[in-house]
Amino acid sequence: DAGVIQSPRHEVTEMGQEVTLRCKPISGHDYLFWYRQTMMRGLELLIYFNNNVPIDDSGMPEDRFSAKMPNASFSTLKIQPSEPRDSAVYFCASSLRGGSLLEAFFGQGTRLTVV
Amino acid sequence: AQRVTQPEKLLSVFKGAPVELKCNYSYSGSPELFWYVQYSRQRLQLLLRHISRESIKGFTADLNKGETSFHLKKPFAQEEDSAMYYCALSDYGQNFVFGPGTRLSVLP
Repeated sequence: DAGVIQSPRHEVTEMGQEVTLRCKPISGHDYLFWYRQTMMRGLELLIYFNNNVPIDDSGMPEDRFSAKMPNASFSTLKIQPSEPRDSAVYFCASSLRGGSLLEAFFGQGTRLTVV
Repeated sequence: AQRVTQPEKLLSVFKGAPVELKCNYSYSGSPELFWYVQYSRQRLQLLLRHISRESIKGFTADLNKGETSFHLKKPFAQEEDSAMYYCALSDYGQNFVFGPGTRLSVLP
């Protein structure tokens, strides 16, 4: 398995534009997480899914952010409209619930720059 | 609610010196504790987890339930250990809570 795959690796966009980040989790994993990493706040959990269903989106900063998981192998995080303060690295991670063996595998991240 | 704290934002040590990255947590149950590492321009990756009680790249971490700590230790730091280190807590499937991270800088 190639691991968690995110695209694009880098995204530069103008303020006000829509941005869509994509994630392909590891096959068979039933949890998917979206995190945002900034220098100021470190790693923040935005939302996570279990079996494609959003379980907790309390970390989503505001209505401009939305996430979907239409099937077990694909998820998107959308920002519309984007703002400069959204600039960060966005990580997707997936995990397989296995009791004490639970761990999350992370993608390479998408570095988003909003100018 | 679960919470993970890492009191040091930056830790600088000289090569060959011992290093300890502190992590404290608050959780009412029995959590799983992890250390993740992020080298420059690389993905976040698991370094070790408390249940396996293993040593990875010379690092060890012991879960101290009395002190609710999970400090990461290495007796002799190497320059290639320079990275961001995140302590994380999982409540067995619900979600992960990460600490704010500590940047370790190992000086030559």
